Amino acid sequence: GEDVEQSLFLSVREGDSSVINCTYTDSSSTYLYWYKQEPGAGLQLLTYIFSNMDMKQDQRLTVLLNKKDKHLSLRIADTQTGDSAIYFCAERYYGNNRLAFGKGNQVVVIP
Amino acid sequence: NAGVTQTPKFQVLKTGQSMTLQCAQDMNHEYMSWYRQDPGMGLRLIHYSVGAGITDQGEVPNGYNVSRSTTEDFPLRLLSAAPSQTSVYFCASSYGSSPGSYNSPLHFGNGTRLTVT
Repeated sequence: GEDVEQSLFLSVREGDSSVINCTYTDSSSTYLYWYKQEPGAGLQLLTYIFSNMDMKQDQRLTVLLNKKDKHLSLRIADTQTGDSAIYFCAERYYGNNRLAFGKGNQVVVIP
Repeated sequence: NAGVTQTPKFQVLKTGQSMTLQCAQDMNHEYMSWYRQDPGMGLRLIHYSVGAGITDQGEVPNGYNVSRSTTEDFPLRLLSAAPSQTSVYFCASSYGSSPGSYNSPLHFGNGTRLTVT
């Protein structure tokens, strides 16, 4: 089944690292994604990871995937005020023409 | 390229009224979809299309119709609006007929905020 769970709110000081977590239920997922939504805007793809990878680093972003626990995390290093947004994880299933999104995690960066 | 364009940005309807939310993309994307975003619910898929002339239902299709007569346009119709349809609606598209492969992320419009009174 398609079920993606996220915690809802995180506040972090500017310059600290922030970690957002997500769990999913379908082990046949092929791709997992992190999207960012700024106020009043649509979602933008931040990064993705293949289901056969454990980790992916992309500048300040680190994605960790624990397939055994079906757990995905996004770490943002040196968090900036421009990182304040809602972050969604999403998964795509093999042969399925849809993405399933989590409920989103609001990150507030305190200067 | 303009990307994914949604109109209108805001709309207020009375219960029972009908309207069409417009979505157009100029990227020649085969795949298009409609999501609704509600507080605490995340994004839920309403309908999607893998190409002109082909549409299918998502998680929450009731109360909504779609058509795909051209590659560029994917309008969402509310035939008889209800307060439960108050939401922010997003249209999204991607290259090819399957969304979200590594070289084909979903591109989102900026949304339509709909209020039904």
